[in-house]
Amino acid sequence: QKEVEQNSGPLSVPEGAIASLNCTYSDRGSQSFFWYRQYSGKSPELIMFIYSNGDKEDGRFTAQLNKASQYVSLLIRDSQPSDSATYLCAVNGGANTGNQFYFGTGTSLTVIP
Amino acid sequence: NAGVTQTPKFQVLKTGQSMTLQCAQDMNHNSMYWYRQDPGMGLRLIYYSASEGTTDKGEVPNGYNVSRLNKREFSLRLESAAPSQTSVYFCASIVSQVMNTEAFFGQGTRLTVV
Repeated sequence: QKEVEQNSGPLSVPEGAIASLNCTYSDRGSQSFFWYRQYSGKSPELIMFIYSNGDKEDGRFTAQLNKASQYVSLLIRDSQPSDSATYLCAVNGGANTGNQFYFGTGTSLTVIP
Repeated sequence: NAGVTQTPKFQVLKTGQSMTLQCAQDMNHNSMYWYRQDPGMGLRLIYYSASEGTTDKGEVPNGYNVSRLNKREFSLRLESAAPSQTSVYFCASIVSQVMNTEAFFGQGTRLTVV
């Protein structure tokens, strides 16, 4: 069983602050890592993916990957109330698993105006 | 640009009734998946189809069956619904290319079994 662990939160940050979301995974052979955002009552939507160790930036979002520590994080800079959602960390198991995605339980983020 | 389409969006069943959740994708993806999402449990894989003509069990397959009708369509069937199957169901299709793997989700089906 491949496990993906996230703090469930809730995490509250003031508007304009940096929100930091963390995720650990159990399968050391995992190759690709994803952050999805899910608004209440909606389906998950992809924010970012990362394959290589280090940082990957896209606008206000930065994903960080440390394969040695089996750790993935998402930083949201200048947080906005519209960022309030549940953030799902996902790990792709690769072709040997039929390209299954393994999801964490999600971290609920609230950005306070 | 429909992406992944699921029907129905909402359903209420009585215990013991059967139903089929439909999913279709127009992105020509090989792989399709059915997940259920419960509070505090995250998304759990029920069944998946890595390619047309193949299906495999995921983490929580009991009580469900699937059919990969063709490359576009992947249906999930509950033969005898139970209250424990009350959940939100998501269909997803996955594109898998070198350095480009992404899961696209349908809008979900909220199922209540009473």
